[in-house]
Amino acid sequence: KAGVTQTPRYLIKTRGQQVTLSCSPISGHRSVSWYQQTPGQGLQFLFEYFSETQRNKGNFPGRFSGRQFSNSRSEMNVSTLELGDSALYLCASSSGGTPLNTEAFFGQGTRLTVV
Amino acid sequence: SQKIEQNSEALNIQEGKTATLTCNYTNYSPAYLQWYRQDPGRGPVFLLLIRENEKEKRKERLKVTFDTTLKQSLFHITASQPADSATYLCALPAPYGNKLVFGAGTILRVKS
Repeated sequence: KAGVTQTPRYLIKTRGQQVTLSCSPISGHRSVSWYQQTPGQGLQFLFEYFSETQRNKGNFPGRFSGRQFSNSRSEMNVSTLELGDSALYLCASSSGGTPLNTEAFFGQGTRLTVV
Repeated sequence: SQKIEQNSEALNIQEGKTATLTCNYTNYSPAYLQWYRQDPGRGPVFLLLIRENEKEKRKERLKVTFDTTLKQSLFHITASQPADSATYLCALPAPYGNKLVFGAGTILRVKS
């Protein structure tokens, strides 16, 4: 069974640009969550999608957005990039209707560097 | 809002000893608590989930306890090995919404 796949693994962007990150969950998993990880803030929740609907959103500005497709694949977009957006972006999928009482499977992450 | 605290300093132990990591939380009574392992540059890997009615859970050399009175979970690795060196994260479901809230993690270093 293939794990969670995130693409690309590494990305370098310039301030002001936008970026789209992709996440393919484990087959059969309908819940996909996105996290931002930085050394200072740790893992911060961005949003969670289930069956193409955003069920929950973290405390991030509107520049951060996402979507989920009918095949459960998800994308997140960050517009007008800032230096502070440099981070490891992780997505996690889970099998249950909620990510709370089942394990979350994380991808390898996308390392975004904004210069 | 809920707050999760893990040992901020790295834990250095000798191979073969038992490592004990702490996760404390406040302002909240979660129904579940999870532990993850994260290696540098990689995503977290799920280790154990313990429910509020389970005082203790074991998996091979791992043991987790969940004290809802103390609002604390302890994570033990017995007979530790250098390969156990990693960052260990505890995670709780947020009071509202479908999301996990993670602690900052504790770095464990096992020396041979």
